[in-house]
Amino acid sequence: GAGVSQSPSNKVTEKGKDVELRCDPISGHTALYWYRQRLGQGLEFLIYFQGNSAPDKSGLPSDRFSAERTGESVSTLTIQRTQQEDSAVYLCASSVSFAGTDTQYFGPGTRLTVL
Amino acid sequence: AQSVTQLGSHVSVSEGALVLLRCNYSSSVPPYLFWYVQYPNQGLQLLLKYTTGATLVKGINGFEAEFKKSETSFHLTKPSAHMSDAAEYFCAVSESVGNEKLTFGTGTRLTIIP
Repeated sequence: GAGVSQSPSNKVTEKGKDVELRCDPISGHTALYWYRQRLGQGLEFLIYFQGNSAPDKSGLPSDRFSAERTGESVSTLTIQRTQQEDSAVYLCASSVSFAGTDTQYFGPGTRLTVL
Repeated sequence: AQSVTQLGSHVSVSEGALVLLRCNYSSSVPPYLFWYVQYPNQGLQLLLKYTTGATLVKGINGFEAEFKKSETSFHLTKPSAHMSDAAEYFCAVSESVGNEKLTFGTGTRLTIIP
């Protein structure tokens, strides 16, 4: 079946603008995760959803970052007043449940460039 | 808190040679361990994972990894490198109790020399 999809694939924005990044998880997956991958670095956990609830927001870098999820479907990561340090690839992943044994399936990512 | 260290940000091996990518982890509870591969312009793909049971785990494309608790390691190996193995490899850990988010290493870029 279809994998995790993300849109847009690339986004170039000006400093100070708001951006919205979208993630469509695999159908039936209750857990959804957002990660950030800065150039030359590993993946950094941002937030996860169990259903449409986000129990752990500790990874969000600042209050400019927020995320929501509609039911057990689409999630949107919003970055307000973007800064140059927000430039990165934003990856979304989903898994069947939130058990640690469940494989997280990753989308292709959204490459965000803040000028 | 959990953490992952990948020794060597770049590794080059000749085609047909042994591939060894190193990963050491730190975790306060029994870990779940993962290796992901990222091919150029593609998303992350799971190679293999260790949760419980047999400590030698076999994955896709001929890769395997061995969980060694005493060494806190989960090194990735492949007996004979192929050109198609050129990619970036990420080791990750999640804790088996309470916090199932993945903590990733910084990655190792594998280059295959013809």
